[in-house]
Amino acid sequence: KQEVTQIPAALSVPEGENLVLNCSFTDSAIYNLQWFRQDPGKGLTSLLLIQSSQREQTSGRLNASLDKSSGRSTLYIAASQPGDSATYLCVRAGGTSYGKLTFGQGTILTVHP
Amino acid sequence: GAGVSQSPSNKVTEKGKDVELRCDPISGHTALYWYRQSLGQGLEFLIYFQGNSAPDKSGLPSDRFSAERTGGSVSTLTIQRTQQEDSAVYLCASSLQGLTPYEQYFGPGTRLTVT
Repeated sequence: KQEVTQIPAALSVPEGENLVLNCSFTDSAIYNLQWFRQDPGKGLTSLLLIQSSQREQTSGRLNASLDKSSGRSTLYIAASQPGDSATYLCVRAGGTSYGKLTFGQGTILTVHP
Repeated sequence: GAGVSQSPSNKVTEKGKDVELRCDPISGHTALYWYRQSLGQGLEFLIYFQGNSAPDKSGLPSDRFSAERTGGSVSTLTIQRTQQEDSAVYLCASSLQGLTPYEQYFGPGTRLTVT
């Protein structure tokens, strides 16, 4: 069974801290790995997508890395802000149907002023 | 440009009734996906359409669930004889498709409540 695990399940930090969200997956035969944020009552917003041939992607204060051999990805958020508060989802594409996404349970991030 | 849209945004229905949920993907996106997110649970894949290929229905939880995609664009997810456990947010996504899966763009979702 293809699984995606995210640690921690919840994280509360003061504004300005740098933080790391962790994701692990059981099947290294992935096509890509995506990080999304989900705000309460809203849909998903894609943050970063890393193709299987890549090792990392950066966008602004966000940096995501991918290590296929160990089945891990990390999302690094620099200088966190209250507006970063959301649920962050690690999502793996691949497996028997490459269009199918497997979602982690998410990390609930709270950044307090 | 316009993103993925879904309708209705909220639907309350009585147990046993049928419901239809609609998804309008981004124009030009050949791949369309349905997911659901139940309360306190993660996102669950339901079905995936890619062009004219047979859809991947491996995530549909029962034969009460079906989906169509007409003309390679709009999709309808139908749930027959709804049950309370069907209550969830149903999310639709679309993407371009090539040799590798492209980034998926999600709609705002339809919140279904079965009473």
